[in-house]
Amino acid sequence: GNSVTQMEGPVTLSEEAFLTINCTYTATGYPSLFWYVQYPGEGLQLLLKATKADDKGSNKGFEATYRKETTSFHLEKGSVQVSDSAVYFCALSEHGSSNTGKLIFGQGTTLQVKP
Amino acid sequence: SQTIHQWPATLVQPVGSPLSLECTVEGTSNPNLYWYRQAAGRGLQLLFYSVGIGQISSEVPQNLSASRPQDRQFILSSKKLLLSDSGFYLCAWRSDSFSGNTIYFGEGSWLTVV
Repeated sequence: GNSVTQMEGPVTLSEEAFLTINCTYTATGYPSLFWYVQYPGEGLQLLLKATKADDKGSNKGFEATYRKETTSFHLEKGSVQVSDSAVYFCALSEHGSSNTGKLIFGQGTTLQVKP
Repeated sequence: SQTIHQWPATLVQPVGSPLSLECTVEGTSNPNLYWYRQAAGRGLQLLFYSVGIGQISSEVPQNLSASRPQDRQFILSSKKLLLSDSGFYLCAWRSDSFSGNTIYFGEGSWLTVV
């Protein structure tokens, strides 16, 4: 079945450091890929998405490129801030005849940025 | 614009008591609706989804049930809570017409069963 695998956390960085959170997926067909962010005590917010191969999603300085050849969707940011501390979830949306759009999530990666 | 609300935000319930979490979506029609649960320190698990009024699909066997009495209302219930039902519950919606296959989440409800 479809699945998403994220790098284990927590990831601890100093402010202005470069961030990479790895995400790989297993899926039949051509899923859409997403990154969601969860700040402490809050729900999930969509951070960025990509709907087809080679698409690059970007938002708030974060980027991720849909790589079909490596089945990956790694999240990157050039210079992190303390306010980026949160849990990051990679997810894929299944496609199929029912088109229910169910999301399959990775386990989440906790990012802690220290000043 | 579309918004999603769920309530209550926080609740503490004794074992064996009933549960009702409500979720409503505004600004769209015929959305797909979802209930997810996030247990402490773990990822998100899809519990139920609905593609229309009265249509509920369950993803995992459990102590919970869901209902969709109106187009934009989704309710998560239990007759008798278990300790293992504790967690963070998230309602979500999706509309292909507006969001291009993107799912949007509510603020979440923290449930502690004691």
